[in-house]
Amino acid sequence: EIVLTQSPATLSLSPGERATLSCRASQNIGDYLVWYQQKPGQAPRLLIYNAFFRATGIPARFSGSGSGTDFTLTISSLEPEDFVNYYCQQRSDWPITFGQGTRLEIK
Amino acid sequence: EVQLVESGGGLVQPGGSLRLSCAASGFTFSNYWMSWVRQAPGKGLEWVANIKQDGSEKYYLDSVKGRFTISKDNAKNSLYLQMNDLRVGDTAVYYCAKDRGRADDYWGQGALVTVSS
Repeated sequence: EIVLTQSPATLSLSPGERATLSCRASQNIGDYLVWYQQKPGQAPRLLIYNAFFRATGIPARFSGSGSGTDFTLTISSLEPEDFVNYYCQQRSDWPITFGQGTRLEIK
Repeated sequence: EVQLVESGGGLVQPGGSLRLSCAASGFTFSNYWMSWVRQAPGKGLEWVANIKQDGSEKYYLDSVKGRFTISKDNAKNSLYLQMNDLRVGDTAVYYCAKDRGRADDYWGQGALVTVSS
């Protein structure tokens, strides 16, 4: 099973700042890395697929990078609605696995 | 507009069974893999199962193998999750999702399954 480790668990920043979220895979997953955003009480929303492709309707301030085992989700300038939870997911092999999540909180 | 609507959740005793349904609309259901993902209260996301477009391939989380069965009825645009021998650890919100190809691009609102005596 491929283990995904997200860091940090909690990230405290202010609106307007740049956020960098990390996801590390326990083995090479190529570019089969997905990022989701989840607001409290809501279903997850697809942000990034294949490591760096933005999903339909996702603002340009969200970007993904990386390949192999190390991946990054960057939010260039934080908006108030961005302070929620983020999960990475690998789609390289079965079973599909998620990271444990990063909570982005207002400093 | 893509819509996924889950139903069938509820309270069940350990060892009991439930069948979740997911009604799909707004896309050609028969062309897509579909997923079930769950989230225990206050916890992260956990993938449960996936099924190929025609139902010919199915994949499961190890801890649900032999207890859960994923299926889809392309004529009814519906996805199902039959859950047997339920355990307290299966308590979660269960989401169905449309798999665009190595990513889930649309999600339902979720169905709460509570396993408790």
